Amino acid sequence: GQNIDQPTEMTATEGAIVQINCTYQTSGFNGLFWYQQHAGEAPTFLSYNVLDGLEEKGRFSSFLSRSKGYSYLLLKELQMKDSASYLCVLSGGSYIPTFGRGTSLIVHP
Amino acid sequence: EAQVTQNPRYLITVTGKKLTVTCSQNMNHEYMSWYRQDPGLGLRQIYYSMNVEVTDKGDVPEGYKVSRKEKRNFPLILESPSPNQTSLYFCASSLSGSGSQKTQYFGPGTRLLVL
Repeated sequence: GQNIDQPTEMTATEGAIVQINCTYQTSGFNGLFWYQQHAGEAPTFLSYNVLDGLEEKGRFSSFLSRSKGYSYLLLKELQMKDSASYLCVLSGGSYIPTFGRGTSLIVHP
Repeated sequence: EAQVTQNPRYLITVTGKKLTVTCSQNMNHEYMSWYRQDPGLGLRQIYYSMNVEVTDKGDVPEGYKVSRKEKRNFPLILESPSPNQTSLYFCASSLSGSGSQKTQYFGPGTRLLVL
């Protein structure tokens, strides 16, 4: 089976940098997604990592290390609108993705 | 505009009264799925469909049915709803089931309360 661990909640200050970690245990997977979900809204795609290393996309970057079973999402120049839940998702060979429970990020002034 | 739509957005019903939540996508996606989201549990997949007339169970299929008669539509059916099906439901679609094409596009959600 697959298991994902993320911190439940994090707080950060506007303008700062925050790193949201995701560790996982799995027998194999194709890639790892990060989604953003504002309260009461639908998740939206942020990033997809299939190879080890850092994928940068504007203020958001995502990192994957398959050997360490570890990924992180890095958010720079935090804005109030970045307050949301961030979901780490494993995409395996089956058609059933495994979602982490999400990390609720609170950005304060 | 490329989107996934769900109806209704909010629904209050009583135990045992059959209901259907519709889901439609206009992106010609092959893969569609239904999730429920409950506090502290995250998103859990109910059913998925890889293409027309091809459906399969997800992690929590009990009490639900689906059908995929057309590529764009994937309704979720609760034949006899119970209070433990009170939840926030999301429909999602993706281009296919492999690699980055697994990127899912989610509908706005349906908030269901079963009394």
